[in-house]
Amino acid sequence: DAGITQSPRHKVTETGTPVTLRCHQTENHRYMYWYRQDPGHGLRLIHYSYGVKDTDKGEVSDGYSVSRSKTEDFLLTLESATSSQTSVYFCAISEWSLGSGANVLTFGAGSRLTVL
Amino acid sequence: RKEVEQDPGPFNVPEGATVAFNCTYSNSASQSFFWYRQDCRKEPKLLMSVYSSGNEDGRFTAQLNRASQYISLLIRDSKLSDSATYLCVVEVYGNKLVFGAGTILRVKS
Repeated sequence: DAGITQSPRHKVTETGTPVTLRCHQTENHRYMYWYRQDPGHGLRLIHYSYGVKDTDKGEVSDGYSVSRSKTEDFLLTLESATSSQTSVYFCAISEWSLGSGANVLTFGAGSRLTVL
Repeated sequence: RKEVEQDPGPFNVPEGATVAFNCTYSNSASQSFFWYRQDCRKEPKLLMSVYSSGNEDGRFTAQLNRASQYISLLIRDSKLSDSATYLCVVEVYGNKLVFGAGTILRVKS
């Protein structure tokens, strides 16, 4: 168990309001990710972090910002939410798997965001 | 062209059937390949990695064809509990993984 907690799990908000999603992990993993999942698109990478204060953009980063001030917390912020950001957001950590011989992702339970 | 493509299905099969999914990828330099399983309204979970020589885990067999740039997943003796969405995942570079949109499997009694 990678000990990943996402909050809130569900949120309904209005267009133009700021929203922050939190991802908390308990096992000191260096790499953390934020994905969004939409029908027909699969999971798409928004931003990722490779350490405290070290972040980079993914393929769908427009309209999102992230922060990582502590190893255990990775925050995703929508500065001004739009209806196109209605989605399910998954946080993930990456860890080396001896059995797989590769880095594998373990996901949090997801945060379902609806922007009206 | 998408980096990772899958047939979305759904594949509707009876219990006990054998079913196979394919997934194609565009980056010939990709090194790591995986199949994830996602149940309805849940997070994706690693099903198995895909090795160059192919690998088997119980009823599940994964194959990699680098020349044609596809990976496959074979499920034998399908169970009702196998009903899920199966996600093909490819490491394109560094520590970045790209996900296919998923293939829906429905196993019916």
